[in-house]
Amino acid sequence: AQTVTQSQPEMSVQEAETVTLSCTYDTSESNYYLFWYKQPPSRQMILVIRQEAYKQQNATENRFSVNFQKAAKSFSLKISDSQLGDTAMYFCAFMTRLNYGGSQGNLIFGKGTKLSVKP
Amino acid sequence: DGGITQSPKYLFRKEGQNVTLSCEQNLNHDAMYWYRQDPGQGLRLIYYSQIVNDFQKGDIAEGYSVSREKKESFPLTVTSAQKNPTAFYLCASSRTDWDFYGYTFGSGTRLTVV
Repeated sequence: AQTVTQSQPEMSVQEAETVTLSCTYDTSESNYYLFWYKQPPSRQMILVIRQEAYKQQNATENRFSVNFQKAAKSFSLKISDSQLGDTAMYFCAFMTRLNYGGSQGNLIFGKGTKLSVKP
Repeated sequence: DGGITQSPKYLFRKEGQNVTLSCEQNLNHDAMYWYRQDPGQGLRLIYYSQIVNDFQKGDIAEGYSVSREKKESFPLTVTSAQKNPTAFYLCASSRTDWDFYGYTFGSGTRLTVV
């Protein structure tokens, strides 16, 4: 079974500091996409950043960056200069494409990390 | 603006009743999905549809049913066979089921059994 594990149920960080959220996944496929989604108290799911498995370069989006370690099946999210608006649940997810050309057909999510940014 | 509309935002169901959650998108996306979210459980897939008039069961389809008669619409019915329906339900869509742009989500429906 393909799974996503987020080992930190809750984290907190001081405003303006840096925090890293961890994510590991398990798949036998070689071709897949990885995502981090943010769910603030409004509960709207917002895409934060995405990474293609065949690209070695780590993705960055403004204050958000990832550390993608394919061999270790690790996909951590780093938030720099944390802001109060970053307070949210963060979900790691991946989407696989099967080797024969089919697709998994859905995003597989971890259980989430609740991040609190403190003033 | 394009997006996904879920309605209602809050829904209350009596024991033994069927209820239908609405999901409409104007993004011209082919694929649509229903997820259930429970505290500490993340998001779990109920059903998904890659094309009109076709849909597949996800990991927790028991007690739920869907239809996909139009590209824009993917309603979810929570039947009386669903033993624990109280949860937050999210609808999503994507251009295809293999989309690097990921999914676009609706704002969700909170279902409570009373």
